Amino acid sequence: QAQVVESGGGVVQPGRSLRLSCEVSGFAFDTYGMHWVRQAPGRGLEGVATISYDGHNKYYANSVKGRFTISRDNSRNTLYLEMKSLGIEDTAIYYCVREWDPVPVWGQGTTVTVSS
Amino acid sequence: DIQMTQSPSTLSASVGDRVSITCRASQSINSWLGWYQQKPGKAPNLLIYKASILESGVPSRFSGSGSGTEFTLTISSLHPDDFAIYYCQQYTSSPWTFGPGTKVEIK
Repeated sequence: QAQVVESGGGVVQPGRSLRLSCEVSGFAFDTYGMHWVRQAPGRGLEGVATISYDGHNKYYANSVKGRFTISRDNSRNTLYLEMKSLGIEDTAIYYCVREWDPVPVWGQGTTVTVSS
Repeated sequence: DIQMTQSPSTLSASVGDRVSITCRASQSINSWLGWYQQKPGKAPNLLIYKASILESGVPSRFSGSGSGTEFTLTISSLHPDDFAIYYCQQYTSSPWTFGPGTKVEIK
């Protein structure tokens, strides 16, 4: 059964950095594109970043471009999201999501709170 | 990025009502559209993919239609469990984009 599990969330001060991880199982990780999607409290869903199956292609939402970096280690079946210069607006639940094939696989999310 | 809009933003209805939610894309996405239901504190739950295919285990009162830029989610007869927020999502290009959501509330 395909599964993704996020970790690494927590409380961080504005301007600091944080790295999220997503461990996957139950599918061939190195053949799927992966995504990070976030949801701020009381708000809708926002696609944050995308990485191709081989890590060669990456896409970012304008709101995080230049601050967030998506990466993957196919030998460890793990996806990452490096977040720098965090602001209060980055407070959200961050979901790791496998590419549609034909349906996506969502994790339960990890919560990032940016607060002084 | 492809922009997604939804209408209405809030829908007040009663158990047994037939309701529809519209989703529009800023450019053609063919049929690469999904619909989710989300309840408080939970991850989104997929209802429909490829615009009209019902995800396994989802009740048949849910249906999807449309292609190109205009799509519709219909609930044929509202159940008490259906009061939630519904989102559409395009997955033809990255980054993924979502509609702002439609809250279905009890009248």
